[in-house]
Amino acid sequence: DIQLTQSPSFVSASVGDRVTITCRASQGINNYLAWYQQKPGKAPKLLMYTASTLQTGVPSRFSGRGSGTEFTLTISSLQPDDFATYYCQQHYSYPLTFGGGTNVDLK
Amino acid sequence: EVQLVESGGGLVQPGGSLRISCVASGFTFSAHFLDWVRQAPGKGLQWIGRIRYKPSSYTTEYAASVKGRFTISRDDSKNSLYLQLSSLRTEDTAVYYCTRAAGTGWDSAVADHWGQGTQVTVSS
Repeated sequence: DIQLTQSPSFVSASVGDRVTITCRASQGINNYLAWYQQKPGKAPKLLMYTASTLQTGVPSRFSGRGSGTEFTLTISSLQPDDFATYYCQQHYSYPLTFGGGTNVDLK
Repeated sequence: EVQLVESGGGLVQPGGSLRISCVASGFTFSAHFLDWVRQAPGKGLQWIGRIRYKPSSYTTEYAASVKGRFTISRDDSKNSLYLQLSSLRTEDTAVYYCTRAAGTGWDSAVADHWGQGTQVTVSS
């Protein structure tokens, strides 16, 4: 199975900050990486797939990049609605796997 | 509007069985792959499995931790997805989400719509 390691696990940030989350895969996955946002008590929401393709309706302050084994999700200017947990997921091979999550909270 | 609504969760004893359902609306159900994803209390997301559509003979994929114990099925005439859970263990306690795959290729094999989830608790 492909393991995904996210870092950091926790981020304390302020509104307006630039935040970057990293996801590393245990083997190459081309660019088949997705990012999800989850708020407490809610279902996750797809933000991005194939590393950098923004899902319809997702604000452009979210961006993704990477290929192979290293990927990043960047929020260019953190907004109050962005405080949440973020998960990466590889969609390269079965079983699909998720990273452990990164909790972005208010400093 | 795409909607996925799960039901059928509850409390079950270790070793027991349960079937949870997901009813879909707002899209052409038969044209999509469908997945189940779960989340244990306070933990991250775990993909459980996938069922493809009719052109792919409704074939399935499973995570190793549930293979042989869980079975995914669908009824396109009812716009419904099912997850049969058997030989349940305490570690299967989780919220179970029904999800729709955006497309049928690897570049779109992501969950673009999620249900609200249904709680399954395995305890004596």
